[in-house]
Amino acid sequence: DTAVSQTPKYLVTQMGNDKSIKCEQNLGHDTMYWYKQDSKKFLKIMFSYNNKELIINETVPNRFSPKSPDKAHLNLHINSLELGDSAVYFCASSQDKGWGTEAFFGQGTRLTVV
Amino acid sequence: AQSVTQLDSQVPVFEEAPVELRCNYSSSVSVYLFWYVQYPNQGLQLLLKYLSGSTLVKGINGFEAEFNKSQTSFHLRKPSVHISDTAEYFCAVSVPGAGSYQLTFGKGTKLSVIP
Repeated sequence: DTAVSQTPKYLVTQMGNDKSIKCEQNLGHDTMYWYKQDSKKFLKIMFSYNNKELIINETVPNRFSPKSPDKAHLNLHINSLELGDSAVYFCASSQDKGWGTEAFFGQGTRLTVV
Repeated sequence: AQSVTQLDSQVPVFEEAPVELRCNYSSSVSVYLFWYVQYPNQGLQLLLKYLSGSTLVKGINGFEAEFNKSQTSFHLRKPSVHISDTAEYFCAVSVPGAGSYQLTFGKGTKLSVIP
């Protein structure tokens, strides 16, 4: 059983389109995250939700909108895609606010904007 | 705010040789420290973590790390590497008890094991 699963794994789309990436975790965790990994492999947090409530919203364009229908799901919707949005997006989850616990990561969604 | 510096972007090493991947952090408060590994085209997997107690931490796959508070370092070591250890390694910190939880990552070190 996959602990944190993201779909799709690859996403190629044109500039200006709107796309969504879905994430589900079956670990019973309360906190979920979206991280962005750029072409140089640098990982930076975008959003964090705890029990469906937004607790971190880093400096991210408002074209990016997370949605958490329940605590097992955290989807990422991106409007008006730009070339600079090309990256690998990772979903993750942890128990509670998990400061000392392990964050479990999905396999990533490689987004390519052309 | 805290930051993480991984001093080497790439480390080539021969199979069965020892390796050390360096990590330094900066923070005005106490932090928790982590090492994650990313195999090609996969997500990140926790290798080990330091929360408190013994400064020498052992993790999976034969890796260990030592927390040095005076040098603000958390270097990762393995006495004998295998081809399968080829991957990207990330050092990360979190601040316990902070209002919001997040991992702050270093820029990663690519370990290449040469047969």
